[in-house]
Amino acid sequence: TAGITQAPTSQILAAGRSMTLRCTQDMRHNAMYWYRQDLGLGLRLIHYSNTAGTTGKGEVPDGYSVSRANTDDFPLTLASAVPSQTSVYFCASSSILGDSPLHFGNGTRLTVT
Amino acid sequence: GEDVEQSLFLSVREGDSSVINCTYTDSSSTYLYWYKQEPGAGLQLLTYIFSNMDMKQDQRLTVLLNKKDKHLSLRIADTQTGDSAIYFCAESRAAGNKLTFGGGTRVLVKP
Repeated sequence: TAGITQAPTSQILAAGRSMTLRCTQDMRHNAMYWYRQDLGLGLRLIHYSNTAGTTGKGEVPDGYSVSRANTDDFPLTLASAVPSQTSVYFCASSSILGDSPLHFGNGTRLTVT
Repeated sequence: GEDVEQSLFLSVREGDSSVINCTYTDSSSTYLYWYKQEPGAGLQLLTYIFSNMDMKQDQRLTVLLNKKDKHLSLRIADTQTGDSAIYFCAESRAAGNKLTFGGGTRVLVKP
């Protein structure tokens, strides 16, 4: 089973350029999330979506945008990248029913130069 | 806002028990999780506990929750070299709700 697929695996991006990180899940989970992981800071929530058609801001949303056109896809866009956005980005999903935990993708390592 | 704290590093000998500690501030936390992250990989759920439980055991893993002190611990019995990883504590207010993570504890198992 695929679970959550993130692409690309890694990317080097020049400051000022835009980029979209892709995330697709095949578990029909209602909720999806984008986290960034930085050394010593753990994972911080960027944006989330509880269901298709809705999105919400997390702890560190500035500089990022998301969309949720359907259940399976939750792309994260950096409109104009800055070096402070160098990080490892993880997409996650969960069912909002029952005690479903978060399932994570393998991450996208982004370096902004 | 919510805050979750963990110690940064733990070194343990193979075969010994490991105890990783976590404290949180949100009294509304309902679910508390332990995730494991191996190098270059995403986070893997190890176990979780509801806030109305004191303890949960799952094979080599034992989770203890002191709700009064907002303290969570993960004990790994008979620690193996494959247990070397970063362990994250996380909390949420509802099932499937967004999680707040601690900074992670890097566990190094020495032979």
